[in-house]
Amino acid sequence: QVQLQESGPGLVKASETLSLTCTVSGDSISHYYWSWIRQPPGAGLEWIGYIYYTGSTNYNPSLKSRVTISVDTSKTQFSLILSSVTAADTAVYYCARLDGYFHYMDVWGKGTTVTVSS
Amino acid sequence: EIVMTQSPATLAVSPGERATLSCRASQSVGTDLAWYQQKPGQAPRLLIYGASTRATGVPARFSGSGSGTDFTLTISSLQSEDFAVYYCQQYNNWPPLTFGGGTKVEIK
Repeated sequence: QVQLQESGPGLVKASETLSLTCTVSGDSISHYYWSWIRQPPGAGLEWIGYIYYTGSTNYNPSLKSRVTISVDTSKTQFSLILSSVTAADTAVYYCARLDGYFHYMDVWGKGTTVTVSS
Repeated sequence: EIVMTQSPATLAVSPGERATLSCRASQSVGTDLAWYQQKPGQAPRLLIYGASTRATGVPARFSGSGSGTDFTLTISSLQSEDFAVYYCQQYNNWPPLTFGGGTKVEIK
């Protein structure tokens, strides 16, 4: 059974870079799309972007200028980098697996809270 | 960008009663619509995809319907574990993949 686990700093200073990693266990990282989603406190879900195991990416246009998602198939990990963060980037960040053909999220990590401090 | 609008924002239902949640897309998404359940402090969980197909392990009391721009999630007889927030998500036209704002189902 595939499991996803987010990891990374819980506190990031404003204007700096947020960096998170998602480790995939229980299944291959190949032949799937892998995504990051975030949820600000008390708010709804926002899709950040996804990466295919080959390395091809697609980002939310609202974040595209600040986001990089990468994959390391040898470590069965994929990562999120979000630059120039502000308080508005404070959120729970989830990693998730997208269905192989349709882009709904069928497996989610538990999420990790990232707070941006001023 | 396709905007997903859910209604109502909050729905108060008694255990055992039926709950009907709505999701409307700003343009047609066919049946490329998923529903998720999120309990406090937990990650979302996939309930429905393809507008009406239950994900693995999802009880039969959950059903989805609709196509085009109007969708419904029905919980036929609410159990205590069903009180949560429910989100719809379209995956027909992207980027971006977009979610609705959520419907909170609370105990009446």
